[in-house]
Amino acid sequence: QSALTQSPSASGSPGQSVTISCTGTSSDVGAYNYVSWYQHHPGKAPKLMIYEVNKRPSGVPDRFSGSKSGNTASLTVSGLQAEDEADYYCSSYAGSNNLGVFGGGTKLTVL
Amino acid sequence: EVQLVESGGGLVQPGRSLRLSCAASGFIFKDYAMHWVRQAPGEGLEWVSTINWNGGRMDYAGSVKGRFTISRDNAKNSLYLQMNGLRTDDTALYYCAKDISKTAWFDGFDIWGQGTMVTVSS
Repeated sequence: QSALTQSPSASGSPGQSVTISCTGTSSDVGAYNYVSWYQHHPGKAPKLMIYEVNKRPSGVPDRFSGSKSGNTASLTVSGLQAEDEADYYCSSYAGSNNLGVFGGGTKLTVL
Repeated sequence: EVQLVESGGGLVQPGRSLRLSCAASGFIFKDYAMHWVRQAPGEGLEWVSTINWNGGRMDYAGSVKGRFTISRDNAKNSLYLQMNGLRTDDTALYYCAKDISKTAWFDGFDIWGQGTMVTVSS
């Protein structure tokens, strides 16, 4: 199972919006609404930001939103803040033969 | 407090075995699917294995299938990963994680441990 494709880096200034994309195939992202996004600060445990494409767990600010079109999912961070600087990973359910797949990660820099 | 604590990592020679454990607390462990995810040094996250709520269904990444076995003991609120035939490319920080959903089994991982490091080297 190939990893989902993410751009290695993204950046924005405080207060701006940035969108991170995650491209899969018709066997994973395109087939199921089980796309999730994780924020990972080095040395800490990853944190779930979005699940089922666009749902936010309790405690995640509404500045974070998710969407999907075809085989590509997206995470948008609005009103960028310094603490948003982290690595972001997407993940998708990929069917019963090989359950899950992650993207390669996007390093978000707040300028 | 909802918590996952991994243990059992260490330095091991290629071909040898290691068993990781994950102790859960603060939630009803038996209600949720559980997962193992790893991160090799300098690399991204990689899904390793998933087990459903009662241990009746397991799945594995192709890179570990046939070598790793996931299991759980709901009476002990514990998750395990038996790793056999270890290879140098299994070197990684291994996280256990809880699924957010009581009904699905790969919905989103809402609680993560801090990880346990496995180093495979001669």
